[in-house]
Amino acid sequence: EAQVTQNPRYLITVTGKKLTVTCSQNMNHEYMSWYRQDPGLGLRQIYYSMNVEVTDKGDVPEGYKVSRKEKRNFPLILESPSPNQTSLYFCASMSLSTEETQYFGPGTRLLVL
Amino acid sequence: SQKIEQNSEALNIQEGKTATLTCNYTNYSPAYLQWYRQDPGRGPVFLLLIRENEKEKRKERLKVTFDTTLKQSLFHITASQPADSATYLCAPSPRAGTALIFGKGTTLSVSS
Repeated sequence: EAQVTQNPRYLITVTGKKLTVTCSQNMNHEYMSWYRQDPGLGLRQIYYSMNVEVTDKGDVPEGYKVSRKEKRNFPLILESPSPNQTSLYFCASMSLSTEETQYFGPGTRLLVL
Repeated sequence: SQKIEQNSEALNIQEGKTATLTCNYTNYSPAYLQWYRQDPGRGPVFLLLIRENEKEKRKERLKVTFDTTLKQSLFHITASQPADSATYLCAPSPRAGTALIFGKGTTLSVSS
């Protein structure tokens, strides 16, 4: 089954404690992306990647890091989380050859205390 | 800067009526425009894509129009049902090699 998986689905942490949210897709998609979603602000893109070792900033990259060492994985790293990073995070992937639909993961709900 | 507006944050209609959602964009020349459905706490799910050279696209009870002169897309759900209640997002897609940007969405509530 074609899918995007994220782990963990729920996470409560404290300010400053480094964390990583994993994202994996099994569709051999070149393009992967991270979004955060906050009430009233909609989906905002954090980082995206057009292929292995190619990443670029989205609209709200501050406080986040990403890496793309393998085509299927695109982890999101918060080196020193802060309460304003409390949000719902989505990973998505897309085929660049068709450039059509983005497939979204189930979301990771993060609370930073 | 690029701007996407989905006017009316919320739309309430009765079962059986047609729901019409609007997406306007500025400072943008999208090659195509996508519509997604999102249920609370879940990831968006792709519904329809329409290209700049297409005026209208249909899928079952869904219809999308795309007017590049007005810079607007309309999304229609005919014979609406309570199960259609969700947030609908539009995403005008720019030329190849750039990122998707989403509108904030319109939350549709269909009452029986």
